[in-house]
Amino acid sequence: DGGITQSPKYLFRKEGQNVTLSCEQNLNHDAMYWYRQDPGQGLRLIYYSQIVNDFQKGDIAEGYSVSREKKESFPLTVTSAQKNPTAFYLCASRTQGKGADTQYFGPGTRLTVL
Amino acid sequence: AQTVTQSQPEMSVQEAETVTLSCTYDTSESDYYLFWYKQPPSRQMILVIRQEAYKQQNATENRFSVNFQKAAKSFSLKISDSQLGDAAMYFCAYRSFNTGTASKLTFGTGTRLQVTL
Repeated sequence: DGGITQSPKYLFRKEGQNVTLSCEQNLNHDAMYWYRQDPGQGLRLIYYSQIVNDFQKGDIAEGYSVSREKKESFPLTVTSAQKNPTAFYLCASRTQGKGADTQYFGPGTRLTVL
Repeated sequence: AQTVTQSQPEMSVQEAETVTLSCTYDTSESDYYLFWYKQPPSRQMILVIRQEAYKQQNATENRFSVNFQKAAKSFSLKISDSQLGDAAMYFCAYRSFNTGTASKLTFGTGTRLQVTL
């Protein structure tokens, strides 16, 4: 069954800790994205990757890092430098071929800093 | 930079009735895509409908249709025969046709739709 999976669904972090959010897709999509959602706001782009071993900062990249070692995987690390990390995080992917104009989203991860 | 504005934080509609959600955007580009995404309580973003700016014909997907007014930079979503399952947050989003922007989506702040019996 094709799709985008994110894990864990809920994640709790103590202040000063780094945490990594997983995003995997088996849609054979080339491009992958990480968005952050805060209450009362739309989604904001953190990082994106169009091909393996390449990624670019989005609008709010400070305090985050990513890697793209495999086409299927695009993990996001929330570092201790991110001052307000409590939020809902959504991963998305997009093909480069037909239908390339549309991003499809995973179910999200809710991160809470204790 | 592009901006997307949804001026209705909340809307309510009775089951089986029709409701229209508003969206305006600001851009200097002539080619772009517009989307409506639905976010139910599960919080997964689900594509509802998309519109290519170069197409004059309004997009339609079953009970969902858009009124795309390019000159006015308006992109409203009409939901006909509303169902309880339509209750969700609805987000309007813009994407440049320019591939150099890597298909970045710019979102509005959303409209929460309630469906009542």
